[in-house]
Amino acid sequence: DAGVIQSPRHEVTEMGQEVTLRCKPISGHDYLFWYRQTMMRGLELLIYFNNNVPIDDSGMPEDRFSAKMPNASFSTLKIQPSEPRDSAVYFCASSSGGDRGSYTEAFFGQGTRLTVV
Amino acid sequence: AQSVTQPDIHITVSEGASLELRCNYSYGATPYLFWYVQSPGQGLQLLLKYFSGDTLVQGIKGFEAEFKRSQSSFNLRKPSVHWSDAAEYFCAVEDTGGFKTIFGAGTRLFVKA
Repeated sequence: DAGVIQSPRHEVTEMGQEVTLRCKPISGHDYLFWYRQTMMRGLELLIYFNNNVPIDDSGMPEDRFSAKMPNASFSTLKIQPSEPRDSAVYFCASSSGGDRGSYTEAFFGQGTRLTVV
Repeated sequence: AQSVTQPDIHITVSEGASLELRCNYSYGATPYLFWYVQSPGQGLQLLLKYFSGDTLVQGIKGFEAEFKRSQSSFNLRKPSVHWSDAAEYFCAVEDTGGFKTIFGAGTRLFVKA
């Protein structure tokens, strides 16, 4: 497997524009996580899905942020409208959470570096 | 709520010297514990994990960690550091009732020649 694939790797956009980040998890993994990493706040969990269903979105900072997982192989994180303070690296990760026998740790993508100017 | 504390924001060691990175966790039951490493511009890579059993866990790149329940600690060690080990290291714990991973703030390791 190619691992968790995120696109784009870098995104520069103007304030007020819509931004969509994409993630393809590892095949067979039933958990998907979106994290945000900044110098000030470190690594924050934004939202996670189990079997395509959002389980906990308490980390989503504002209504401007939304995430979807239309199928087991694709997820998006959307920011609309974007603001300069959204500039960060956004990571997607996936894991297998089945029973303990098949449990795996989270595997991370390379991240998307977002810059909002 | 579960939490992870890495008391050292950054550490500098000489190449060839030993290394210990500290991690303390708050968790009510037997935790799942992890150490990840992040090189600049890269994602997080798992170094090692503890689920149960032997409290001394071996990982990749010559790293090991020891789970000490009495101290709520899971410190990462390496007997001899290489310049390529310079990176940021994250300790993490699995959250109760789900499978989300809670990360510490990270410790940045600098290696001097």
